Amino acid sequence: GQNIDQPTEMTATEGAIVQINCTYQTSGFNGLFWYQQHAGEAPTFLSYNVLDGLEEKGRFSSFLSRSKGYSYLLLKELQMKDSASYLCAVRRNSGNTPLVFGKGTRLSVIA
Amino acid sequence: EAGVAQSPRYKIIEKRQSVAFWCNPISGHATLYWYQQILGQGPKLLIQFQNNGVVDDSQLPKDRFSAERLKGVDSTLKIQPAKLEDSAVYLCASSHGVGSGETQYFGPGTRLLVL
Repeated sequence: GQNIDQPTEMTATEGAIVQINCTYQTSGFNGLFWYQQHAGEAPTFLSYNVLDGLEEKGRFSSFLSRSKGYSYLLLKELQMKDSASYLCAVRRNSGNTPLVFGKGTRLSVIA
Repeated sequence: EAGVAQSPRYKIIEKRQSVAFWCNPISGHATLYWYQQILGQGPKLLIQFQNNGVVDDSQLPKDRFSAERLKGVDSTLKIQPAKLEDSAVYLCASSHGVGSGETQYFGPGTRLLVL
């Protein structure tokens, strides 16, 4: 089967750094996506990794290790508006094929 | 550029009734997906269209769910008859190209409650 694991909930302080981990065991791998989803809203794209290493985009960075089946999303200088669910998703097959999502990590940023 | 549009935003029905959801993807996006997101979980694919053809409907409960994209643009997802466990958010997403790095853009979703 397809298994994508993320912590259910995390809490962090405004201004701090938080790392959200994702481990996956899937039949096939053609890229890993991170999405942000505010309560009651649609998921919005944050990052995409297909090769090992770190991708940085402003306050957000995403890391991938294909040999370990592991990724993390790093959020720096946390703001209250970063309170949301963060979804890890794997594209198993090549081409524009469907994503398999984890259950998401609900992040609460507190003052 | 306008995003993915969905309607209605909310729907409440009784079990065994029928319901239909509509999606208009981003202009020029050939690929369209319907996902089901149950509270506290990630989205789960129901069906993928490439233009007006079905690419993947392996997880669509075909005894009660149907979907079409007749002209390769708008799409409709129908549930007939609905069950209590169909209560979820139904998300439509679209993407442009055919590569593995293509991003999916999601609509606001239709929140369905089956009583």
